[in-house]
Amino acid sequence: SAVISQKPSRDICQRGTSLTIQCQVDSQVTMMFWYRQQPGQSLTLIATANQGSEATYESGFVIDKFPISRPNLTFSTLTVSNMSPEDSSIYLCSVEGSETQYFGPGTRLLVL
Amino acid sequence: QKEVEQNSGPLSVPEGAIASLNCTYSDRGSQSFFWYRQYSGKSPELIMFIYSNGDKEDGRFTAQLNKASQYVSLLIRDSQPSDSATYLCAVRTTGTASKLTFGTGTRLQVTL
Repeated sequence: SAVISQKPSRDICQRGTSLTIQCQVDSQVTMMFWYRQQPGQSLTLIATANQGSEATYESGFVIDKFPISRPNLTFSTLTVSNMSPEDSSIYLCSVEGSETQYFGPGTRLLVL
Repeated sequence: QKEVEQNSGPLSVPEGAIASLNCTYSDRGSQSFFWYRQYSGKSPELIMFIYSNGDKEDGRFTAQLNKASQYVSLLIRDSQPSDSATYLCAVRTTGTASKLTFGTGTRLQVTL
């Protein structure tokens, strides 16, 4: 499976600010995914990011709040905009492997 | 109705016993089924996947699939304290661009 890294690993932010999370993969992948995992909850897909096209957002998530970039086949960013305490969560990127998706280590975000 | 359902637990089993984790899904078009393990504070890691009805064994783990009953399970034999984690069931439906739908997870505790 691919080796996936995320930056930052954790952050504490003030409400109203924005944070950009980076996801780097050690091999070229077509599909990358961004998930949110709120405390004690399962994974919720935010969007699917394909290189060279606009990200596809799931119901309840919008581009203005969670803009995504996918400049090449090994990298993607997710921005959490105008943050509120409700955005406190773990944000995970994943990539499509040979059988299923594999996850990065996650970014733990606390919004005060 | 949730698309993928799991008992949240905790499921407590003594060391050496068999742990049985269950998952039901609502979409009959689902084709692929996955079990991920997530330790506290870590990202999910793939344990097993299964596509066909019946059993699939890998070491101490056995995945069981019954598409007619829309049911998939994971058996862990000779449970160890290191198996204590949350187990996430994920389902992929054909034609959804590799999208995975996750259950809420079952927390397993293996006691000494």
